[in-house]
Amino acid sequence: ELKVEQNPLFLSMQEGKNYTIYCNYSTTSDRLYWYRQDPGKSLESLFVLLSNGAVKQEGRLMASLDTKARLSTLHITAAVHDLSATYFCAADPYTGTASKLTFGTGTRLQVTL
Amino acid sequence: DAEITQSPRHKITETGRQVTLACHQTWNHNNMFWYRQDLGHGLRLIHYSYGVQDTNKGEVSDGYSVSRSNTEDLPLTLESAASSQTSVYFCASSETPSLSRPYEQYFGPGTRLTVT
Repeated sequence: ELKVEQNPLFLSMQEGKNYTIYCNYSTTSDRLYWYRQDPGKSLESLFVLLSNGAVKQEGRLMASLDTKARLSTLHITAAVHDLSATYFCAADPYTGTASKLTFGTGTRLQVTL
Repeated sequence: DAEITQSPRHKITETGRQVTLACHQTWNHNNMFWYRQDLGHGLRLIHYSYGVQDTNKGEVSDGYSVSRSNTEDLPLTLESAASSQTSVYFCASSETPSLSRPYEQYFGPGTRLTVT
């Protein structure tokens, strides 16, 4: 059974600081997804990471995937208040049919002024 | 624009009642999913479908059922609502991925269900 663990569960950081959210998964997964959720809202896709060593960047967020270590990271550079949200990673042990995602418990990010 | 909608957005029901949550997508996606979101658990898969007449159980399927009679809709039914089913329910859809092309799931706005 695939398990996905994120840490930290809660992160309070000051504007301008850097930090990393970690996502570990227990069994082989070819692809890894990152989503953002604002309070009371739905999930918004941020990144799709397909292969080992994949790195994607969008603004102040950068995601990477190490399939050998079964680890994905979401790095936040020079945080701003607008990044406050809950971030989820989800692993997908693609087996030839539609993606069936297993989600981590989420990291609630609070960026303070 | 293509979208995925859920109804109702909020629902309060009593223990033992049957409840159906609607999910409708206009993306023409073959794949549809139902999740529940609870504090401390992230999102957990309830049921999913890869196409018309296809349904599959997910991680937490007990007490829930789905049916897929067309591409656009995947209604979720709680056969006899229980307080443990109080949660936020999200529907999602995606294209069919391939080895070289993963497709992210697009999520609906969610339905907040309270069972009293």
